[in-house]
Amino acid sequence: NAGVTQTPKFHILKIGQSMTLQCTQDMNHNYMYWYRQDPGMGLKLIYYSVGAGITDKGEVPNGYNVSRSTTEDFPLRLELAAPSQTSVYFCASSYGGGGTYGYTFGSGTRLTVV
Amino acid sequence: GESVGLHLPTLSVQEGDNSIINCAYSNSASDYFIWYKQESGKGPQFIIDIRSNMDKRQGQRVTVLLNKTVKHLSLQIAATQPGDSAVYFCAENGQAGTALIFGKGTTLSVSS
Repeated sequence: NAGVTQTPKFHILKIGQSMTLQCTQDMNHNYMYWYRQDPGMGLKLIYYSVGAGITDKGEVPNGYNVSRSTTEDFPLRLELAAPSQTSVYFCASSYGGGGTYGYTFGSGTRLTVV
Repeated sequence: GESVGLHLPTLSVQEGDNSIINCAYSNSASDYFIWYKQESGKGPQFIIDIRSNMDKRQGQRVTVLLNKTVKHLSLQIAATQPGDSAVYFCAENGQAGTALIFGKGTTLSVSS
């Protein structure tokens, strides 16, 4: 099984541009999450989803949007990119919710906004 | 707000030593805790977890200890190897239990 797959692995975006970070999982997990990781910091929750059609904001949602049309896919959209969105983005999924089960993480997308 | 912190940002040990990485959590309502290992350029990998009804849990070369009285979590790695060099994060499920809350991480460096 592939687990959680994120694309692209690296990307450079110009200020004001938009892009979508892709995340797909093949474990039939209902719960999916997007985190960002800044240098020397832990992971901060951007958005999460408890199932297809249901999403909710995390700690740092401003400047991002998500959708969950299928169980497998949970894309993260950046609109009008800003330098503050330079970060490493991780997608994760879990069997159970409420933070009571461990996550499976993707390998991350390293995004630079210039 | 809710937060999970680690006592030391870096830890350097010799190969073969036992390593102890500490974490203090702030939310007494948290009832699930996890340790993750993150190697350079990779996503975090699950190491071991523990629920609040336990004080200790052992895995292969790793042990997690939970002290709910002082809200402290630790990860012990026995006979540390160079391959253990990575950033280690603790995480808790927090009061809302919506998603895991991560600490800042401790960088473990193992020299041979």
